[in-house]
Amino acid sequence: QTVVTQEPSFSVSPGGTITLTCGLSSGSVSTSYYPTWYQQTPGQAPRTLIYSTNTRSSGVPDRFSGSILGNKAALTITGAQADDESDYYCVLYMGGGISVFGGGTKLTVL
Amino acid sequence: QVQLVDSGGGVVQPGRSLRLSCAASGFTFSNYGMHWVRQAPGKGLEWVAVISYDGSNKYYADSVKGRFTISRDNFKNTLYLQMNSLTAEDTAVYYCAKRFDDSGSYYPAFDFWGQGTLVTVSS
Repeated sequence: QTVVTQEPSFSVSPGGTITLTCGLSSGSVSTSYYPTWYQQTPGQAPRTLIYSTNTRSSGVPDRFSGSILGNKAALTITGAQADDESDYYCVLYMGGGISVFGGGTKLTVL
Repeated sequence: QVQLVDSGGGVVQPGRSLRLSCAASGFTFSNYGMHWVRQAPGKGLEWVAVISYDGSNKYYADSVKGRFTISRDNFKNTLYLQMNSLTAEDTAVYYCAKRFDDSGSYYPAFDFWGQGTLVTVSS
């Protein structure tokens, strides 16, 4: 059973830069997994930030960026703002129609 | 504008069945693959199932395979999730989600989500 790993929590100061990662319990994440990142605030449906590793979804500011860093997918937020305080989820496409979400990262801005 | 309206949730006893619906509007529904994603209370997102634009291909998470069936009616612009043999572990908000493009790919990149419908499995 493949597990997608994310940091459970992270904190960043306003104006700071942070990188969240998305890995695999076994193996390396590559662009072939089409890593996608979602942002979710409590009580709301998720919002797509980044898809296919590094493509920003429509309306997403360019301070959100995606990449592959080492053996993981990464979401970098530059110039963090108070309303970036949310849960962030990555999802990886395993092939054969199957996708797996990571457990999510709770980001605190303080 | 694009709208996805999830419905059909409720309280159901363990072992029983429930069918969720997702009514789509504002886009050519028959061109797009559609997914179901769920979220247990206080937990993270879990991918559930995907169906191709024409309903010919369907794929499921291991946790629901053999119990859940995804389907669609392209004349009614509606996506469905038939859930059988429900257990307490299926308690969650269920979201339908639309792929951002009509490429036919299955990777879960969505541009629109439904508002979610809560399924509670309890005796």
